Amino acid sequence: DARVTQTPRHKVTEMGQEVTMRCQPILGHNTVFWYRQTMMQGLELLAYFRNRAPLDDSGMPKDRFSAEMPDATLATLKIQPSEPRDSAVYFCASGSADKNTGELFFGEGSRLTVL
Amino acid sequence: SQQGEEDPQALSIQEGENATMNCSYKTSINNLQWYRQNSGRGLVHLILIRSNEREKHSGRLRVTLDTSKKSSSLLITASRAADTASYFCATGANSKLTFGKGITLSVRP
Repeated sequence: DARVTQTPRHKVTEMGQEVTMRCQPILGHNTVFWYRQTMMQGLELLAYFRNRAPLDDSGMPKDRFSAEMPDATLATLKIQPSEPRDSAVYFCASGSADKNTGELFFGEGSRLTVL
Repeated sequence: SQQGEEDPQALSIQEGENATMNCSYKTSINNLQWYRQNSGRGLVHLILIRSNEREKHSGRLRVTLDTSKKSSSLLITASRAADTASYFCATGANSKLTFGKGITLSVRP
């Protein structure tokens, strides 16, 4: 049963600490998306990749956030330094698309709390 | 910023009734998708409708798309308590998928 795997599921950290979230997309998928979900803002697109190349990270605060795909089986989202306003659920999703984005498969999310 | 906006924000119905949810968007799209999210879980894809399609069915789901009005609707027929969840429309354009804030559907047994 293919699924997107995210780690950690829950993370509590203190302001100023580095946080790294990991995502294993479904094997064979060539697009990977990172979303952040909060009650106030809903689902915000942070960054996305196609064939491991970053296509758009305009939704991401560049001074503290970075997203990478070291290889086809791993995507990472790093926050350094973290701040309380970063508290949210971060979702990774993967899909298969050449030009247009089709169905996305979501992981269960990483719930981040920054104290 | 959100591309799609769902309406209503919350909907409460009795089991067996139909639920209709609406979505409006602002710019041109390649496709429009609907997703469901159960509490504490990730989003699950329900149905995709392309910009050149007007209506699509999948089981108890019916989706319509009106590109002239930039709007879509999702109809769930014969609702069940298990349909209780948040529903999101998402618009696909330029390789990315942008979500609305969602509709909370409660189905009372």
